[in-house]
Amino acid sequence: GAVVSQHPSRVICKSGTSVKIECRSLDFQATTMFWYRQFPKQSLMLMATSNEGSKATYEQGVEKDKFLINHASLTLSTLTVTSAHPEDSSFYICSASLYRNNEQFFGPGTRLTVL
Amino acid sequence: AQSVTQLGSHVSVSEGALVLLRCNYSSSVPPYLFWYVQYPNQGLQLLLKYTTGATLVKGINGFEAEFKKSETSFHLTKPSAHMSDAAEYFCAVSKLGGGKLIFGQGTELSVKP
Repeated sequence: GAVVSQHPSRVICKSGTSVKIECRSLDFQATTMFWYRQFPKQSLMLMATSNEGSKATYEQGVEKDKFLINHASLTLSTLTVTSAHPEDSSFYICSASLYRNNEQFFGPGTRLTVL
Repeated sequence: AQSVTQLGSHVSVSEGALVLLRCNYSSSVPPYLFWYVQYPNQGLQLLLKYTTGATLVKGINGFEAEFKKSETSFHLTKPSAHMSDAAEYFCAVSKLGGGKLIFGQGTELSVKP
């Protein structure tokens, strides 16, 4: 149980385009989902916390208009990187929990490369 | 505020040797503590966690960790390393009750034959 998937696993796009990454909880309803960013050989940095049906809470320094997060259902959250640039290239990982303060279950990650 | 410090960005051991990955935390409230493992280009897998109760926590794959409040530490150990243990390991802390995770910098474990 507690499986979280991400799609796509890998995406390459041109600079200036937008990319959407999906995070799904497959066998449970996730009231809270978290989005992390990980640079090579570095730790995970929390970007934002999303609660189903409400606006996401962004961490300090994360551009809300750049990284659009939607948590429209209890099993799906999406991260859209708008007008992507090479510096947005990174590994994006989502996690999901049943409640805000419950254990997080992590997705396999999405490798974004912006040319 | 909470923070996590992992001592040593890279640890190398021989197969069969003891694995010791160090983690110290700072928290103004009782913490929940976690160890995760990450294989290349994959997400995180929970190894073990401490919430309340017994301070020696046993996890998957033969790993265990001990919560020492007086030392603000939560070091991860395994008696005998296996080649398949080679990966990146992250220590993390959250507030009592869970929620937002704060990760350490990570320790890359290499296992030599």
